[in-house]
Amino acid sequence: GAVVSQHPSWVICKSGTSVKIECRSLDFQATTMFWYRQFPKQSLMLMATSNEGSKATYEQGVEKDKFLINHASLTLSTLTVTSAHPEDSSFYICSASASADTQYFGPGTRLTVL
Amino acid sequence: EDQVTQSPEALRLQEGESSSLNCSYTVSGLRGLFWYRQDPGKGPEFLFTLYSAGEEKEKERLKATLTKKESFLHITAPKPEDSATYLCAVQANNFNKFYFGSGTKLNVKP
Repeated sequence: GAVVSQHPSWVICKSGTSVKIECRSLDFQATTMFWYRQFPKQSLMLMATSNEGSKATYEQGVEKDKFLINHASLTLSTLTVTSAHPEDSSFYICSASASADTQYFGPGTRLTVL
Repeated sequence: EDQVTQSPEALRLQEGESSSLNCSYTVSGLRGLFWYRQDPGKGPEFLFTLYSAGEEKEKERLKATLTKKESFLHITAPKPEDSATYLCAVQANNFNKFYFGSGTKLNVKP
């Protein structure tokens, strides 16, 4: 139980294009989903928290207009990196929570912007 | 300010050599402390949740303990497949989000 999937697992795109990453909770309903970014050999940096049907709460320093988050249902959240640039290249990981407790993480998406 | 510090940054053990990883935290009211294992290029895998001082949880060769200021992840007779980065996170009361430590990279040599 508590399986979270992400799609795609990796993506390469040209600078200036937008990329959408999906996060799905496969066997439970997630009231809250989180999006993290992880740089090589560093820990997870929380980008935003989203609750189903409401606007995401972004962490300080994270551009809302650049990283668009939609939490359309209790099993799906999407992160869209708009007008991506090489500095947006990173490992993006989502997590899902059914209650206020444990977060279950997806396998991550490696984004490379050329 | 809520903070999580993990030590050591890296740990090399011989197979069978038991040791402990430390997670020190300062948080305004602890809701829960979480341990995760992360393999390279993958998302963190949930291991344990601890809620109150004195609580202990075990899973195979791993045992997590909690005090009011820190948590330990004890690894008994580790095997090479235990090699990974172990992450600690705390959740404060009234907040959903987790504060993650920087992790301990464990390397177990056969």
